[in-house]
Amino acid sequence: SYVLTQPPSVSLAPGKTARITCGGNNIGSKSVHWYQQKPGQAPVVVIHSDSDRPSGIPERFSGSNSGNTATLTIRGVEAADEADYYCVVWDHTTDEPAVVFGGGTKLSVL
Amino acid sequence: QVQLQESGPGLVRPSQTLSLSCSVSGGSISGGTFYWTWIRQPAGKGLEWVGRVYASGSTDYNPSLKSRVTISVDTANNQFSLRLTSVTAADTAVYFCARGDYYGYYTIWGQGTMVIVSS
Repeated sequence: SYVLTQPPSVSLAPGKTARITCGGNNIGSKSVHWYQQKPGQAPVVVIHSDSDRPSGIPERFSGSNSGNTATLTIRGVEAADEADYYCVVWDHTTDEPAVVFGGGTKLSVL
Repeated sequence: QVQLQESGPGLVRPSQTLSLSCSVSGGSISGGTFYWTWIRQPAGKGLEWVGRVYASGSTDYNPSLKSRVTISVDTANNQFSLRLTSVTAADTAVYFCARGDYYGYYTIWGQGTMVIVSS
């Protein structure tokens, strides 16, 4: 089965730039979505289709995808950005296609 | 404004069947090219895709759960359902229903419902 690898945690000070990576075999050939989840809440998509930002999501959020790594970038992080972030892809490279979630990255704003 | 609401027992005995429903309001489950999906999250852990159903009734399941999962759509009542058989403590989780596209882009989520598997 297809595996997406994320760092368990990222910590940085307010105002800095956070880069959360999502590694997968040839992930650049897939469409990657990023979800933000705060405690006790359902996830919310912050980036879809590699780099598209849904309406209502601040411009500080951006995404890229190439080769074996997709990246979610959050510029000028704020306390409100503290959350778990998950990358997601649809994998159809096997006989049993499936939606795959990364393990998640906890973003802490110090 | 489409909204989703999960419902079902909060406690299931080991080896029994977990059954949940997701009620769709504000729109028709048959409208559009959407995939109606179940996703779960054990306490303190990450999200896991369980599977999905299209309005036509076609399904896709997580290979690791495929032998125990059935997801079905009830267009008459505008809802879709999850059945997970032979449950164990490992199936204890918050279960979310969601609406999305073919590629895993979910724009609408239910609030989630906690299911505990315990005797």
